[in-house]
Amino acid sequence: AQSVSQHNHHVILSEAASLELGCNYSYGGTVNLFWYVQYPGQHLQLLLKYFSGDPLVKGIKGFEAEFIKSKFSFNLRKPSVQWSDTAEYFCAVNRGRNAGNMLTFGGGTRLMVKP
Amino acid sequence: DTGVSQNPRHKITKRGQNVTFRCDPISEHNRLYWYRQTLGQGPEFLTYFQNEAQLEKSRLLSDRFSAERPKGSFSTLEIQRTEQGDSAMYLCASSSQTYEQYFGPGTRLTVT
Repeated sequence: AQSVSQHNHHVILSEAASLELGCNYSYGGTVNLFWYVQYPGQHLQLLLKYFSGDPLVKGIKGFEAEFIKSKFSFNLRKPSVQWSDTAEYFCAVNRGRNAGNMLTFGGGTRLMVKP
Repeated sequence: DTGVSQNPRHKITKRGQNVTFRCDPISEHNRLYWYRQTLGQGPEFLTYFQNEAQLEKSRLLSDRFSAERPKGSFSTLEIQRTEQGDSAMYLCASSSQTYEQYFGPGTRLTVT
């Protein structure tokens, strides 16, 4: 069965620190990759997505992610975090060329940024 | 607001009762998904519809769960004879054929 692993369950950073959250998936075929963010009290929002092409994708709020096919990874990065980035981050994968398929989510990483 | 909406936002029920949740997708989206999220976990897929057809169901969806999308617009998720293990956030998402899913705020179910 397809699975998605997020290695860090809780991350605490100070403002201006750099962020990298790991995401690995187990499916070997064509995949579409997503990072969603859930701010406190809010619903899941799409942060960025990869369908094909340039493996380095840029999303909202200065986030980016790199798809490394050989490592089955899609790590999320931000050079300098802000207090407002405090949230839970979920990596998600769906299979095939059609992105309108079911998503498999990782367990999430809870990020706390200290002011 | 043209996003995905869900009602009710919170539901407290006693074990054994039936509950029904509603999801209204983004109007031009033909695909609708239900997920369940428990504390400390990522969302888990339950089922999805393309227009009014239910195309896929997870093994998580026991016989007590049923979902409908009668006219290809809104959807309902019913849980019969609720159990304490059904307590979770039930999320609805919608998408067009080939694009990303947009999530609603969820319905938090507490079974006492």
